[in-house]
This record gives sequence, C-alpha cells and structure tokens, in this order.
Amino acid sequence: ELLLLESGGGLVHVGGSLRLSCAASGFTFSTSGMTWVRQAPGKGLDWVASVSDNGAITYYADSVKGRFTISRDNSKNTLYLQMNSLRAEDTAFYYCAKGKWANDHWGQGTLVTVSS
Amino acid sequence: EIVMTQSPATLSVSPGERATLSCRASQSVKNKLAWFQQKPGQAPRLLIYGASTRAGGIPARFSGSGSGTDFTLTISGLQSEDFAVYYCQQYNNWPPGTFGPGTKVDIK
Repeated sequence: ELLLLESGGGLVHVGGSLRLSCAASGFTFSTSGMTWVRQAPGKGLDWVASVSDNGAITYYADSVKGRFTISRDNSKNTLYLQMNSLRAEDTAFYYCAKGKWANDHWGQGTLVTVSS
Repeated sequence: EIVMTQSPATLSVSPGERATLSCRASQSVKNKLAWFQQKPGQAPRLLIYGASTRAGGIPARFSGSGSGTDFTLTISGLQSEDFAVYYCQQYNNWPPGTFGPGTKVDIK
C-alpha cells in the first residue's frame, strides 16, 4: 500500500523556522517527483513547491521563494520542506503529494501554525 | 500566471441527481487539467487527469470533459459519499500548478 506520512508541524512564532518531513512507502520513491501543497484552515489548495525525482531540480511558488527549501533523501525515502522566516500567512495544513502535478497520492497533512 | 475560476461556489443537489461543475482557465491549458475531491478532515483525492481520464479506482459516475479554457466535471447519480469540495488544477503552464477556488457540493 502506498503511504505518505508527514511530520514536523507545530506552533512557531513569526520569523521562526520549521522542517517538515514526509516518509514515503509502497512505491519507488526515487523515480517520482514530489510536491508540497498547503491549505489554510477553511481555504483552498495552494501549491508550494516540487522537486524532481533525483532532487536536482526544485520549483517554488513566488510566495515562498527564498524562504522555503524542498529537498529529498532517496536513501531514506523521505521528502523535506525547510521553512524559514515564517509569516502568519504560512499558517496551514501542509500536504506532501506524489508527483509534480495531478498528484495521485497525498499524505494526511501536518498543521503549521505561525503566531505573532 | 494562469488564473483558475470555478462555478458555482456551492451546488445543492439531491442524492441520485446529476451534478455539473465548471472550471475555467484565464488562458488555454490544452487538456492539462485535473480534478480533485476533498472531504472534511481528509486530504484531496485525484479524480480526473488529462481533463477526461479517470484516476485509478474512481467510479464511472465521475466524468470530465473540455479543453482549452473551459472544463466540466459531471457526477452522475450523486451518492452520499460524493458530497464534498471539488477543485480543478491546471498543469499546462507549470509551475505553478494553480488550483481553482473550489466548488462545494452539498445536499439539497
């Protein structure tokens, strides 16, 4: 069974940092691009970042460029999102998803709350 | 950046009826359009990709159509588990993979 399990969310102050992880299983992680999508409470879906299968190419939404870093460790089947200089508007559920678009599997999400 | 719009914002439908949801792109996305379903407290689920291809395990009552800028998701014979929010996403001009604001399908 394909599983994606996010962790690392929590409460952080404005300007702080947090690193999210997504542990993948049930598929060949190293051959799949991966994506982070976020959703503010009660709001719609917002693409955050994607990474190529080997980690060499990364893509970011303008709203997070320069503050967030997506990376992966294929030896550990794990996807990461390093979030720095966090803002109140970054408060959201963060989902990892398989693929770069039309994502066919999603994790259950982890909540990041940025307080002032 | 391509802007996606969806209509209506809320659609009230009786069980067993047909629901027709619309998605429009600000410029052509060819057939690079996906539909997702999201239920409260759950992650999104891919329903349709390539505008009309059902994802694995998706029932045949879900169908997608359209190309260019105008797309439709049709749910024939709504069942109780279909009441949810539906999002479209374009991936022709990627990144970013822009989502529409969603259509909530609720019980009439």
